Amino acid sequence: NAGVTQTPKFQVLKTGQSMTLQCAQDMNHEYMSWYRQDPGMGLRLIHYSVGAGITDQGEVPNGYNVSRSTTEDFPLRLLSAAPSQTSVYFCASSYRRIGELFFGEGSRLTVL
Amino acid sequence: AQTVTQSQPEMSVQEAETVTLSCTYDTSESDYYLFWYKQPPSRQMILVIRQEAYKQQNATENRFSVNFQKAAKSFSLKISDSQLGDAAMYFCAYRSPPGGGADGLTFGKGTHLIIQP
Repeated sequence: NAGVTQTPKFQVLKTGQSMTLQCAQDMNHEYMSWYRQDPGMGLRLIHYSVGAGITDQGEVPNGYNVSRSTTEDFPLRLLSAAPSQTSVYFCASSYRRIGELFFGEGSRLTVL
Repeated sequence: AQTVTQSQPEMSVQEAETVTLSCTYDTSESDYYLFWYKQPPSRQMILVIRQEAYKQQNATENRFSVNFQKAAKSFSLKISDSQLGDAAMYFCAYRSPPGGGADGLTFGKGTHLIIQP
């Protein structure tokens, strides 16, 4: 029972580099989302998806792209990393658009 | 937009004692969900308890219970018989029903709970 799986768990990038954070869930959840966690800020919603082919912006979407080609996967792309994107990133899913979210273990990203 | 406020950045309690963490929120919706999540040093987000706004009865999960005051928009978490393993960051979170703006959780900034042995 894997739940929500994020990779990689740690990553160091240089300014301007691109990368993709992977997220997969095996619970057949309709809803998937990405959050970032910064010290003293709680978690903030970046992007979310309510089903395959459907994505939308959250509170802090700038600098990030997402796509949802399958129910299971919801990758987060940084096209040109900036130091302001240094953060811990969480992927989370839920069966429907109500109720609690199930979180991955988080990915710590450092942009130098 | 909804906001969630946790006014206690840090709380400390003696082992076996009871502690209450505060949370208030702002919304114009009548139907929504409220949650408390625990984040230990491992950084894993763990659901502690949930409350549906349409339910008047306060949720309870073993040593964890909430005091949900809908009119006051207050959602406090009570931890009874505190244990060393309860030490963590605790986040209050709000989720609006579908159609109520961006679909996801709105989090407070968290309360760092310290358990004194």
